[in-house]
Amino acid sequence: ETGVTQSPTHLIKTRGQQVTLRCSSQSGHNTVSWYQQALGQGPQFIFQYYREEENGRGNFPPRFSGLQFPNYSSELNVNALELDDSALYLCASSTRRGGELFFGEGSRLTVL
Amino acid sequence: QQQVKQSPQSLIVQKGGISIINCAYENTAFDYFPWYQQFPGKGPALLIAIRPDVSEKKEGRFTISFNKSAKQFSLHIMDSQPGDSATYFCAASRGDSNYQLIWGAGTKLIIKP
Repeated sequence: ETGVTQSPTHLIKTRGQQVTLRCSSQSGHNTVSWYQQALGQGPQFIFQYYREEENGRGNFPPRFSGLQFPNYSSELNVNALELDDSALYLCASSTRRGGELFFGEGSRLTVL
Repeated sequence: QQQVKQSPQSLIVQKGGISIINCAYENTAFDYFPWYQQFPGKGPALLIAIRPDVSEKKEGRFTISFNKSAKQFSLHIMDSQPGDSATYFCAASRGDSNYQLIWGAGTKLIIKP
């Protein structure tokens, strides 16, 4: 059974740029959630995708957007990067909404 | 009303001792309370979870105690081992949005051999 995989693992961007982070969900999982974890803090919910549609969103501005594909993989896009966007971005998949979340190892984004 | 407050921020326990981490919540609509363990460079992994219809849940060396009236829950790690050294997060969510976990700030646990 393949777990949740995320890419890239590390990346550096400059303020104002755009970034795309990718996530492959665990086999058999149809729901993907994205979280932002700032250094030394707990994760914060960004949004969830279920059946290719956004299904719940946390307190993040519209420049954070996402997609889910028919194979249940997902992308997180962040436009107009700000310094405060520097964080570990975690993807989690589950078999259903509200099911146990299985996390990937994250993508660490640094914005200079 | 969405906050989950976790304490202590860091904890050092001798090998074989009991590690205790506490969390408090405000939203009485929360009905799912998981604990996650995170090692450096890894994503969080579910350790144990409880729902408010029980006051305690035990899985191996890990126990959750839940006090609904006080709106508090805690994680007890019995016979703590160096391999338990990690950051622990409590979280909470509502039944109608179990995917939207509200997380505590984390506790960095160090078990001294």
